[in-house]
Parts: sequence; C-alpha cells; structure tokens
Amino acid sequence: GAVVSQHPSWVICKSGTSVKIECRSLDFQATTMFWYRQFPKQSLMLMATSNEGSKATYEQGVEKDKFLINHASLTLSTLTVTSAHPEDSSFYICSAREEREGPTDTQYFGPGTRLTVL
Amino acid sequence: QKEVEQNSGPLSVPEGAIASLNCTYSDRGSQSFFWYRQYSGKSPELIMFIYSNGDKEDGRFTAQLNKASQYVSLLIRDSQPSDSATYLCAVNRGGGGNKLTFGTGTQLKVEL
Repeated sequence: GAVVSQHPSWVICKSGTSVKIECRSLDFQATTMFWYRQFPKQSLMLMATSNEGSKATYEQGVEKDKFLINHASLTLSTLTVTSAHPEDSSFYICSAREEREGPTDTQYFGPGTRLTVL
Repeated sequence: QKEVEQNSGPLSVPEGAIASLNCTYSDRGSQSFFWYRQYSGKSPELIMFIYSNGDKEDGRFTAQLNKASQYVSLLIRDSQPSDSATYLCAVNRGGGGNKLTFGTGTQLKVEL
C-alpha cells in the first residue's frame, strides 16, 4: 500500500516553456500533498504544501506565480513550472500524506521528476 | 544551528557489521521522526518512523529516540552492500500542516 506515482519521470524543455508534473496517490486518498525540490548532493527542500480544494501554501522564497500548484482531487496534485529557465533544472519530488491517528502521519514519496531546461 | 543535523559521511562499514546513523534536532516540541533511504538518482523511501522514547525494531532496522537529548538514531544490523545509500532523517514538528524538515543525509557505504 501507500504508493505514489509521478509523471513524467523526466522532461527536457526549452527555456521559456511551461512544464506540468502530476503526482497521484494510487491506493489512498491524500488531502495533503507536498512538493519538494532537490539539487545535486543537497537535501530535499520543501517548496509548497498542496491542499485538496484550497490554495497551496508556499515556503518562503518560492514564487507562487512561477510554481503553480493545483490539487483538484483527493488523489491528484499538479505542479506547473511556468516560463522555465535553466536554473529551474532540478529533481522535483512530490509526497502524499497518509493520514493516521496521533503523531504517525506519514509521507510517502513519488519517484520524482527530473527536469532539465535548456 | 540547523533544525535537523546529520553527519554527511561517508560512513563506511564492512558487510555484516552494524551501521549506526545519528540525527539531532533543535525543536524540543518535535513530535515524530522518520528515517528515509535514498539511492542515488531516486526519491526517498520510508524505512520507519518513531514517536515514543526508546527503541523500535523492524527487521534489520532499529530506530532509537531520546527526546531529552533531542536525538534519534538508526541502527542497521547485518549490513549489506544493498544498504549503501544516503539516509535522511526527517522531523515532524507538529502544529499545522504536518510538514517534515529533513537533514542533509548521511551517506552509508557497506563494503564487501
């Protein structure tokens, strides 16, 4: 159980184009999903929290107009990188929160999307 | 002071030995703690979580939590070459959102 998928697994695009990444929880419903970014040899950096049916919450320093997040259903969140530039090239990973009683809420990660902007 | 600190390593252990990975955190109010394994080029994979003081065992893995000292550790018994990866410690500080704060990870190398 607790499987999260991401699509695409990798994408190469030209500078100035937009790229959409999908994150799906396959066997559980996720009211909350998270989007992370990871640069080579660095840890995961949380970009935003995606809440089903409401606006995403962005971390400090993350441009909400550049990284558009939509969480239209309990199993799908999308991240759109608008007007991508080479500095946006990174490994984008989503996670979905499986809600449980008490302090045992757990996040399960998707396989990640490697974005390369030329 | 970083919120979650780990020694970056690499930590090298011989096959069959016990690998000990440590993590300290700064927020005393943190509620739950997670260990993830990340192979190069892949996304993190949950190994186990712990939220009560003491030890929690799952197969070859044992998580240890000491809230008074604000550290959490992961022991891997009978280490195998396939355990070679980066191990990420993550802390849920509670409150709204249930966000995780990650350490930078410890690279483990299990040598034949």
